[in-house]
Amino acid sequence: QLQLQESGPGLVKPSETLSLTCTVSGGSISSSDYYWGWIRQPPGKGLEWIGNVYYSGSTYYNPSLKSRVTISVDTSQNQFSLKLTSVTAADTAVYYCARRVFGVYYFDYWGQGALVTVSS
Amino acid sequence: QSALTQPPSASGSPGQSVTISCTGTSSDVGGYNYVSWYQQHPGKAPKLMIYEVSKRPSGVPDRFSGSKSGNTASLTVSGLQAEDETDYYCASYAGSNNLVFGGGTKLTVL
Repeated sequence: QLQLQESGPGLVKPSETLSLTCTVSGGSISSSDYYWGWIRQPPGKGLEWIGNVYYSGSTYYNPSLKSRVTISVDTSQNQFSLKLTSVTAADTAVYYCARRVFGVYYFDYWGQGALVTVSS
Repeated sequence: QSALTQPPSASGSPGQSVTISCTGTSSDVGGYNYVSWYQQHPGKAPKLMIYEVSKRPSGVPDRFSGSKSGNTASLTVSGLQAEDETDYYCASYAGSNNLVFGGGTKLTVL
């Protein structure tokens, strides 16, 4: 059974960089069949797609976040990571990692989510 | 890209049917058959309920169905049960490898 688990600091100061890692177990991140993505959800609000990464390292980002986001993959560790720079309180959210099947546009497996609060 | 439009709330009595709408544009919902629906219970990760407009993943009850007409997609829950009371989100491919979500609908079982 595929499992995804987010990890990283739960508190980040304004203007600093948010960093999260998603560890994949029960399957290989190096499969050519999948993209790996990040989605976030501010408290009490809706979902927002952040971006995807392929095992080769190719990436796609939400245009509204593109200037601040970097998603990378580490196939040796079966992990992929999110970096969001210059954070503000508006970036406070639960951050989910998820799997997307190549060639289609939905997420079929999700991590449990990690709350990241931006505050001094 | 703008978020897809969903009604904030919907409701129905046990056993009845309820339909939740998801309105976009010709650049997302209307332009592709890649609409998906997610169910999210409080404090939990979203769960895929419908993909590619009307397909159900294995394990999702056939009480859940999806459809699309023009720029509006719909999720219908038939035979409402108490366990269906939670939040539902739609999502659509928006071209250029972009994905956009709806604002979410809280479904209440009366």
